[in-house]
Amino acid sequence: DGGITQSPKYLFRKEGQNVTLSCEQNLNHDAMYWYRQDPGQGLRLIYYSQIVNDFQKGDIAEGYSVSREKKESFPLTVTSAQKNPTAFYLCASRPPGQGNIHGYTFGSGTRLTVV
Amino acid sequence: AQSVTQLDSHVSVSEGTPVLLRCNYSSSYSPSLFWYVQHPNKGLQLLLKYTSAATLVKGINGFEAEFKKSETSFHLTKPSAHMSDAAEYFCVVTLFGNEKLTFGTGTRLTIIP
Repeated sequence: DGGITQSPKYLFRKEGQNVTLSCEQNLNHDAMYWYRQDPGQGLRLIYYSQIVNDFQKGDIAEGYSVSREKKESFPLTVTSAQKNPTAFYLCASRPPGQGNIHGYTFGSGTRLTVV
Repeated sequence: AQSVTQLDSHVSVSEGTPVLLRCNYSSSYSPSLFWYVQHPNKGLQLLLKYTSAATLVKGINGFEAEFKKSETSFHLTKPSAHMSDAAEYFCVVTLFGNEKLTFGTGTRLTIIP
């Protein structure tokens, strides 16, 4: 079955550490997205990529970095510069064409906690 | 510019009674609108979408929504709630050609046995 796989499901980070969240899709989708979810705030866009080797900042990109070396993979690194990283992180992708027609497919998320 | 407001942060209904989750949107142009459902610690699943075709949209699990341009609303309904409907629901708006989805803050639906 096609889908999006996010790993790990739970991740703990010490102060000052960088951590990388994995997102892999086998849907052959071109566009991929990273969202951050905090209680009562909905989802906020961190980064997105419409094509391999290209990505754009979303609304809250500070303290995060991404890469898109392969179509299937869009890892997110939470750097030590992100002062409040504890959140639920969701990866998404959409099929070719406009997202407003198809909607997006979401992974099952990674819960990151600073310890 | 686009925005979406979910009017209730929490809704409780008894099993077997109707569900109404309210969503108002603001958009400069004709929007596309979606409802997603999220069960605890899970990703989001698409329930239904409106993309300028029929104004009454039917989705999965018996849910439906009606696009009312005059009221700028896209409320989600279900005739009879089931325990498995307990989850968080997000109303989402986007515009043609826009990569950005704008999410509402969510409505948590609780089903009372």
